This record gives sequence, structure tokens and C-alpha cells, in this order.
Amino acid sequence: EVQLVESGGHLVQPGGSLRLSCAATGFIFKNHGMTWVRQAPGKGLQWVSSISDSGGSKYYAGAVRGRFTVARDNSKDTLYLQMNSLRAEDAAIYYCARNWGSSGANSHPDYWGQGILVSVSS
Amino acid sequence: QSVLTQPPSASGTPGQRVTISCSGLTSNFGSETGTWYQQLPGTAPKLLVKANNQRPSGVPDRFSGSKSGTSASLAINGLQPEDEADYYCAAWDDSLSGWVFGGGTKLTVL
Repeated sequence: EVQLVESGGHLVQPGGSLRLSCAATGFIFKNHGMTWVRQAPGKGLQWVSSISDSGGSKYYAGAVRGRFTVARDNSKDTLYLQMNSLRAEDAAIYYCARNWGSSGANSHPDYWGQGILVSVSS
Repeated sequence: QSVLTQPPSASGTPGQRVTISCSGLTSNFGSETGTWYQQLPGTAPKLLVKANNQRPSGVPDRFSGSKSGTSASLAINGLQPEDEADYYCAAWDDSLSGWVFGGGTKLTVL
């Protein structure tokens, strides 16, 4: 059974940093691209970032480019999202998702974690 | 404002057929396939339709997807109370080099 478990979310002040982790089990992690999607309270889904199976290709939404960094450790079956210079508008539930294929690009997310809440406030 | 355009709400009575539309651009639906997700209240999104019209195993055949030109649609036949949820369309956008989502459609089963 595919399982994705996010961790690392909490309350942070504007301008602060946070690193989210996503532990994957139930599939061969190194064979799949991975994606982060967020959802602000009461709002719709917003794509944040994707990474290919090897980590060699990374993609970012314009709203986070230059502030967020996606990474993965295939030896630990773990996906990361380093978030710097956080803003109030970054507050959301962050979901980690497995891509159907190896690409970080146009391979659709198929399995999703339960999400982790990130709050940004002074 | 979302790149993909969905109606904010839809409704139907049990047993009815409901269709949710999703309008895109040539940079996404013009060259890429459509994906649909269902999000039940308080839960993570669940994959409902992939590659325009393919259902993952476990998804009832009451759900079907289609794409024509730069638009996609999700149809739900034989509407059931447990179908009450938010539905999102999505596609890879070649111009943005990223995934784009519709704003979501809240389906109410009357």
C-alpha cells in the first residue's frame, strides 16, 4: 500500500524558514517523480513544485521560485521542501504526492499524503 | 485566478447525471491530457480520472472523463450522496512548465 506521510509543519513568523519532509513507503520511491501541492484554508489546490525520479529535474511555481527548494533522498525514501522567506500567503496545507511515472514534469500525481499544515503569522 | 476554469458549484439529485466542465488553453489541454481529482470534506485529494478518460482501479465506472480541444469534462452517472465533494481538473502546462489546477467545483447532492 502506497503511503506518504508529511511532517515538519508548524507556525512560523513571516520571513522565517521551514523544511517539510515526506516519508514514502509501499512503492519503489526512486522510480517515481514527486510533487508538492498546497491548499490555503477554504481555497483550491495550487501546485508548488515537482521533482524527477533522480532529482535531476526540478520545477517550481512562479509564486515560490527562488524561495522554495525541492529535494529528495532516494536512500531514505524521503522528499523534502525547504521553504525560505515565508509569507502570509504561503500558509496552507501542504500535500506531498507521488507522480505516476518517473518524470517530474507531465506525469500526473496519483497518490497523495494526508497533508501538513503550515501557518505563517507574527 | 486559476488557469483552468471550472464552475464553482454544481448540484443534482440521487440517480441523476451531472457534468462538470473545465476550460483550458492550448498550452495545457491543447497538448497534454486532463486529470480529475475528488476531494471529500477534510481529506486529501484522490485521483479520479487520468489521461482524459482512464479510471484508476477502484474508481466506480459511474465516473467518466473526456476531452475535446482545450476543454475537459467529468461526468457522474447515477449520482450518489457520497459523491458530494469538491472536484478539481488539472493538466501540465507546457508554457508554465508546471501543473495547473481548476478552481474546483463543489458538488452538492440534493
